Amino acid sequence: GENVEQHPSTLSVQEGDSAVIKCTYSDSASNYFPWYKQELGKRPQLIIDIRSNVGEKKDQRIAVTLNKTAKHFSLHITETQPEDSAVYFCAANTGNQFYFGTGTSLTVIP
Amino acid sequence: GAVVSQHPSWVICKSGTSVKIECRSLDFQATTMFWYRQFPKQSLMLMATSNEGSKATYEQGVEKDKFLINHASLTLSTLTVTSAHPEDSSFYICSAIRQPGSTDTQYFGPGTRLTVL
Repeated sequence: GENVEQHPSTLSVQEGDSAVIKCTYSDSASNYFPWYKQELGKRPQLIIDIRSNVGEKKDQRIAVTLNKTAKHFSLHITETQPEDSAVYFCAANTGNQFYFGTGTSLTVIP
Repeated sequence: GAVVSQHPSWVICKSGTSVKIECRSLDFQATTMFWYRQFPKQSLMLMATSNEGSKATYEQGVEKDKFLINHASLTLSTLTVTSAHPEDSSFYICSAIRQPGSTDTQYFGPGTRLTVL
């Protein structure tokens, strides 16, 4: 089955800096890669996603890149703000199942 | 560390029966566990938040009497799908956090695939 690895598990950045979270997957059949943000006690929120026919996608301060050959995708957050502090997790979808990374706890230091 | 297990990993049952899924934190105490449901090619859907020693908080649209959640200990939460029907066939994923009050990583279980015939 699919194996999704996510790094780092924790990340601290200064406000205004960029944050990058990386995920790798093993199953070349995976074709959909969402990223979720979860704040404490709240539901995970889908923040951006990318499909296998696209190499990069951007939404304001958030961008995701996908390298199908290398089987990795990354989340990029620019100009980080304290409200970006949360847990982020990636996922890979093979069509029937989502396989999630173990999550990244991002702390943006004011 | 921070391993979450689920049991069973796959279950097939007849319509009308009830199915219990267990979620365990193996090496840490989890005061809060989450239950998700996932349909093919769709995003993860949070069903409920399970807090040890108290009633679960269900998301809007999730039937409390249909999906019974019990979090009786700091290492175990159970989800019981009562009177299961084919439309309940799904992938159920739990997760757990160690420290409420902090932005802790959510540790997911491997999931349980439920097929209702």
